[in-house]
Amino acid sequence: GQQLNQSPQSMFIQEGEDVSMNCTSSSIFNTWLWYKQDPGEGPVLLIALYKAGELTSNGRLTAQFGITRKDSFLNISASIPSDVGIYFCAGQPLRVSYDKVIFGPGTSLSVIP
Amino acid sequence: NAGVTQTPKFQVLKTGQSMTLQCAQDMNHNSMYWYRQDPGMGLRLIYYSASEGTTDKGEVPNGYNVSRLNKREFSLRLESAAPSQTSVYFCASSEGWGSDNEQFFGPGTRLTVL
Repeated sequence: GQQLNQSPQSMFIQEGEDVSMNCTSSSIFNTWLWYKQDPGEGPVLLIALYKAGELTSNGRLTAQFGITRKDSFLNISASIPSDVGIYFCAGQPLRVSYDKVIFGPGTSLSVIP
Repeated sequence: NAGVTQTPKFQVLKTGQSMTLQCAQDMNHNSMYWYRQDPGMGLRLIYYSASEGTTDKGEVPNGYNVSRLNKREFSLRLESAAPSQTSVYFCASSEGWGSDNEQFFGPGTRLTVL
């Protein structure tokens, strides 16, 4: 079946550093979603992208919908300790069918104060 | 406003036992979902209910059943638990059906099957 790959799998950074992570697929997606999961909690939607090339920001977070429609990127600027968690990308090959949502395995982020 | 609530938070079962995971949302959402999360893997959809009165299979429905009890509640039942069902289970809800509708997740139920 379809799979999403996320890299890196985990990362340890110093507080204040910028972070970049990406998500790739062998298939074309119409929607890219980025979620964050805090320890012991459910995922929370950070950013949704709907068009190839789209660049969207949410505070210190910026995400881009790759022009090939097979990848997406998430950047976090000036990291802080509360950025710790697992970041998931999710892609949807169809705009109206959630039964086609594919989630990536996640990137685990640790921030060293 | 509690959002999406799940009970229990933790559960240990023996192989062959049955149990029901409960989920409720107070946001008047139409659509609800059940996912499982396994180490190193993304969330996988078990079942979903696009609207009250309807349920459909997701990616990994085998060994599970669901009931959309009313607009607020969506339960997941394991009839005969197996070790392969050891996982963290998340319930989610959204206002409508489709990619334009943000899903809100509950805190999860951590299930171990011995």
